[in-house]
Amino acid sequence: NAGVTQTPKFRVLKTGQSMTLLCAQDMNHEYMYWYRQDPGMGLRLIHYSVGEGTTAKGEVPDGYNVSRLKKQNFLLGLESAAPSQTSVYFCASTSGKGTQYFGPGTRLTVL
Amino acid sequence: KQEVTQIPAALSVPEGENLVLNCSFTDSAIYNLQWFRQDPGKGLTSLLLIQSSQREQTSGRLNASLDKSSGRSTLYIAASQPGDSATYLCAVTDQTGANNLFFGTGTRLTVIP
Repeated sequence: NAGVTQTPKFRVLKTGQSMTLLCAQDMNHEYMYWYRQDPGMGLRLIHYSVGEGTTAKGEVPDGYNVSRLKKQNFLLGLESAAPSQTSVYFCASTSGKGTQYFGPGTRLTVL
Repeated sequence: KQEVTQIPAALSVPEGENLVLNCSFTDSAIYNLQWFRQDPGKGLTSLLLIQSSQREQTSGRLNASLDKSSGRSTLYIAASQPGDSATYLCAVTDQTGANNLFFGTGTRLTVIP
């Protein structure tokens, strides 16, 4: 049972490049989330999904897009990366009734 | 907007001490509260979850309490060990049905052998 996995673990981008972060969960959870963690700011919600085919904006959605085509996968896209998007990105999932389970994180640096 | 505050930001204690970490939140309309542990460079591990109708939860040497009306929670760690050194994060879930978490900035705990 892998839980929540994230790909890639590390990435360095140049300003203006695009990339997609992949989150996968094998717990059949309905709810999935993308957070970013910055020093002194805590974790902040970027986008979330309450089920396959649905997405919604969180606290800091600008510059990001998401898709939930399959229940087990939640993709986070950066269309034109900016240095302000340098951060650690965490994916999480839950059945909706309790604990949120987090992935190991993706460390992204935008130069 | 829900604001979650954790005090202190950092704490150092000698091994064997009992300690309390504090968390406060501004909006008492929460669904539940979770305490997480985060080791450097790692993801978050859930320690305890307290539903809004509950007053406390216990797991081993950890005890978390919740006073929803006053917007406060505490995490009590008994007989601290060097392996407890980590950052502890408090998060509350809103009642919108989306189960979104609002996090504090954490308390960095160091247990000195």
